[in-house]
Amino acid sequence: DAKTTQPPSMDCAEGRAANLPCNHSTISGNEYVYWYRQIHSQGPQYIIHGLKNNETNEMASLIITEDRKSSTLILPHATLRDTAVYYCIVRRGGTSYGKLTFGQGTILTVHP
Amino acid sequence: GAVVSQHPSRVICKSGTSVKIECRSLDFQATTMFWYRQFPKQSLMLMATSNEGSKATYEQGVEKDKFLINHASLTLSTLTVTSAHPEDSSFYICSAVTSGTGPNREQFFGPGTRLTVL
Repeated sequence: DAKTTQPPSMDCAEGRAANLPCNHSTISGNEYVYWYRQIHSQGPQYIIHGLKNNETNEMASLIITEDRKSSTLILPHATLRDTAVYYCIVRRGGTSYGKLTFGQGTILTVHP
Repeated sequence: GAVVSQHPSRVICKSGTSVKIECRSLDFQATTMFWYRQFPKQSLMLMATSNEGSKATYEQGVEKDKFLINHASLTLSTLTVTSAHPEDSSFYICSAVTSGTGPNREQFFGPGTRLTVL
């Protein structure tokens, strides 16, 4: 699976949008971009995933560049409870389920 | 989303004893489950892939005789840490993948089990 690069940490003010970038320049055509987050001492929580189109759900939006070499996770109105480690993962698609390989992620701190 | 539970949530044991951790998918069937380990201030490291009805596949460097995995049903996988030592103290997390085929299968994580070996 393609390797991803994320900034180690980011800050965001409560109520503002948090934009978390991810580079995956070696992504291949059948690989999906997944985002998970992990709040301290809990299991990871699925946020969103996409292949090439932008995606939106009740938690966040995922913007994937046209060349698919990078993406941005957007939390539109960050709250203090969004403070967590955010992982961007690229996973092979297809009929079999490819394993998720976690990098170091981005520590997002939302402050009042 | 679907719910995955782990039991126990926290366990303290003496060195040399064995500890069993259960992972259950509560409202869906999972032919594939994964076991991860996470040390303080580090990311999750995949230990093994557990497939229902067959032997687990272990990642390089993970001792299969020390970390016994059993996936006896579509909703339950167990990880047994045999002859635990203090260096096995860690946060163990399981995940379960929804059944079916194609890219829309999802992976849901359990809340984790904190193992402390004295």
